[in-house]
Amino acid sequence: QSALTQPASVSGSPGQSIPISCTGTSSDVGGYNFVSWYQQHPGKAPKLLIYDVNRRPSGVSDRFSGSKSGNTASLTISGLQAEDEADYYCSSYTGSSTRWVFGGGTKLTVL
Amino acid sequence: EVQLVDSGGGLVQPGGSLRLSCAASGFTFRNYAMNWVRQAPGKGLEWVSAISNSGGDTYYSDSVKGRFTISRDNSKNMLSLQMDSLRAEDTAVYYCAKDVWPQPDAYDIWGQGTMVTVSS
Repeated sequence: QSALTQPASVSGSPGQSIPISCTGTSSDVGGYNFVSWYQQHPGKAPKLLIYDVNRRPSGVSDRFSGSKSGNTASLTISGLQAEDEADYYCSSYTGSSTRWVFGGGTKLTVL
Repeated sequence: EVQLVDSGGGLVQPGGSLRLSCAASGFTFRNYAMNWVRQAPGKGLEWVSAISNSGGDTYYSDSVKGRFTISRDNSKNMLSLQMDSLRAEDTAVYYCAKDVWPQPDAYDIWGQGTMVTVSS
């Protein structure tokens, strides 16, 4: 069982905005501003979309945005495109001996 | 071009050892923390280990602590993961990943991954 909880799947139509949630505890998501989000297409290495809750690396589309409220972080994808169909993972620093944890992943389907 | 090339994976028996390597190029290796992240077949991502830019700080997940050792050679732009006492549950694709900061945080460049299979 993953330390961070994500919905197993979400779906949306092209052009829509889709949020993906990542729920943890005050010992990880809620306690630190070290939440990151990754996109992974089948058979490929993950790609960093967001780090430190809401910072976007250069080259990442501004259609991807991150936020956090309490123990839940969110990735929002606006203007959904077919190429966004992929698996999405959140990650957070934790105060435990295992310093970083991932969520179980969310499969995004573009209808 | 910023690039990480993972190598060293293979088939190993339970209880055996394997050493993974990651060759970095296209960026100032000594300025960034480095990480290992793995993904079991059909499963999600799991953070394994991290090392600060200087190599002075190392971190391990509870699942590998005491069995795996991360190290780096900043003169050769190389990251390594020594894996001992391997178990079937260590079977996964192992990715090396560059961090965004000198201390571990998030992973902006990933290697192509190297497969480790632990089986008799």
